[in-house]
Parts: sequence; C-alpha cells; structure tokens
Amino acid sequence: AQSVAQPEDQVNVAEGNPLTVKCTYSVSGNPYLFWYVQYPNRGLQFLLKYITGDNLVKGSYGFEAEFNKSQTSFHLKKPSALVSDSALYFCAVRGPPSGSARQLTFGSGTQLTVLP
Amino acid sequence: NAGVTQTPKFQVLKTGQSMTLQCAQDMNHEYMSWYRQDPGMGLRLIHYSVGAGITDQGEVPNGYNVSRSTTEDFPLRLLSAAPSQTSVYFCASSYSIGTFPSTDTQYFGPGTRLTVL
Repeated sequence: AQSVAQPEDQVNVAEGNPLTVKCTYSVSGNPYLFWYVQYPNRGLQFLLKYITGDNLVKGSYGFEAEFNKSQTSFHLKKPSALVSDSALYFCAVRGPPSGSARQLTFGSGTQLTVLP
Repeated sequence: NAGVTQTPKFQVLKTGQSMTLQCAQDMNHEYMSWYRQDPGMGLRLIHYSVGAGITDQGEVPNGYNVSRSTTEDFPLRLLSAAPSQTSVYFCASSYSIGTFPSTDTQYFGPGTRLTVL
C-alpha cells in the first residue's frame, strides 16, 4: 500500500529565511504527489502537485517542491518565509484504483512556524 | 460560490447518542468524501461517493453511515457515538475525470469539531 512520511512534527524558521518541509513516499508505479496546507480553524487547501515532467514543481503562494526519485522524496520549499506561512502542511500520495476512485493518502502533517 | 459548507462547527455528544454531520457543495462536483483528522495521524478517509446514489467505504468506516441522494449533499451519520469518535471531521469534494474520479485537487470544508463524552 502507498504511504508518505513526514519526519518532522514541527519546523521553526525565521522570517526571510528559506524553509523546507520534508516528505518521503512509498508507492508502486509512478508517484503522484501533492502538498496541502491547513491554516488555523480552516479546511485543507491544495498547494501543488507532481504528476510527471520537471522535478521542480511550482505552486501557490511562492511555494515549490522538489521531486527526487532516487531518494523517494518530495520536499516542500520556499526561498523566503513569511509569518503568514505559519500553518500545518500535509504531504499526500495518490494510490492505485480502489473501489470506485483513486484516493489520496495523507501524511501526519508538519506544523510550520515562521518567527518574526 | 460558497464552496464546501459543513454544519455544525462544534458538537458535544454523550456516548450512545446519534447525530448527522451535514455537508454541501455548490461546485457540481461528482466526488465527495469524509475524513477525520486526529493529532499525529493526518487525515483518514471514512466514506466517499463518486456520484448521486453511489457510496463506498474508506479506511475507517465503522460506526459511520453515509448516503448521497443529490449531487450537492453528502451527510455523515454517527449511529451510536463513542469517545473514540472524538475528532475533527472534514468534508471534501472534487471534480471527476474519466472512469476513476480525480481526487487530486480536493476542496475542503471548514470542519466540524466533535467531542463524545
């Protein structure tokens, strides 16, 4: 079965510094990978996805993610963090057809705190 | 567009009580789903639906029922609440592509925080 691991429960970074939120995955076949963000008291929002092609994927709010097949990783990055980026970030992988849909399997989440 | 709406926002139940969490979307999405979010466990899929009249079980379906009589609505019923069902519940929807709906870009509601005493 497919899975994702987010090894860090909490990441702290100073405003203006680059940030990285780590994710590794396990899946049979070609990986379809995603990042979602959850702001306080809100539902999750789609941030970006990797399906195929360029290993560097650009998404919303200046975020990007780097796909590395040999390391089975899909780390989320941003060159310069903002206080408003503070949120809970989830990595996800799409599974094979099961039942009547292909589902996403979410990681446990990483709380990002950007310090002013 | 209101997007995905959920009611209530908060609910406290006693063990054994039943209730229905409401979910509605106005984007004409075929696919809808319910997740529960627990600390350190991410989101786990409870039930989902690929269209009106069609429902299927997810990873943690026990203790929950769903129905899909219209495209817009997808209520989640707790039959006999247990403390283990204390969680935050999210409804989500997405459009469908092809034989298997694309669940890649899901739109989430604001959540219902449920406490079972």
